[in-house]
Amino acid sequence: GQNIDQPTEMTATEGAIVQINCTYQTSGFNGLFWYQQHAGEAPTFLSYNVLDGLEEKGRFSSFLSRSKGYSYLLLKELQMKDSASYLCAVLDSNYQLIWGAGTKLIIKP
Amino acid sequence: DAMVIQNPRYQVTQFGKPVTLSCSQTLNHNVMYWYQQKSSQAPKLLFHYYDKDFNNEADTPDNFQSRRPNTSFCFLDIRSPGLGDAAMYLCATSRDPDGDINEQFFGPGTRLTVL
Repeated sequence: GQNIDQPTEMTATEGAIVQINCTYQTSGFNGLFWYQQHAGEAPTFLSYNVLDGLEEKGRFSSFLSRSKGYSYLLLKELQMKDSASYLCAVLDSNYQLIWGAGTKLIIKP
Repeated sequence: DAMVIQNPRYQVTQFGKPVTLSCSQTLNHNVMYWYQQKSSQAPKLLFHYYDKDFNNEADTPDNFQSRRPNTSFCFLDIRSPGLGDAAMYLCATSRDPDGDINEQFFGPGTRLTVL
């Protein structure tokens, strides 16, 4: 079966750095996405990785290791507005998005 | 601004009373998706259209139907809503699924309450 695992919840402090991990087992791989979702709102696109390595975009970076079936999202200089759920999703061989359940990130002052 | 629009944002219906949710897009994307998302769960794909080709997920109940009359619009019909159908319904679009980045653009969602 296809499976995406990420922690259910994480807590971090304003101004700090947090890493949210995602492991996946899917039938094929055509890229991995990270989405941010605030409570009651739709997911918004954060990053896309299809090759191994680190993609940096401002305060957010995303890393991929295809051989390990592993990715992480790194958030730096945390702000209160970063409190949200972070969803990892993998595009499988049929170009269908397989979603993780999301990691709820709580930022404390 | 090019975008994905969903109406209504909040929908209340009664148990068993048919309801239709709508989605429109100005992105001119080939693919449109309907997801169901319950609290603290991953979005669950119900079906998607690639142009006019309809693709139903194997575990999508028959109670859920969809129509795509043209490129811009897509509808989700719930024929007899049950209490378990209360959820956020998300519409998303993407360009060609074989494109370089198959990013999905989401509408704001419709939160359905079943009384």
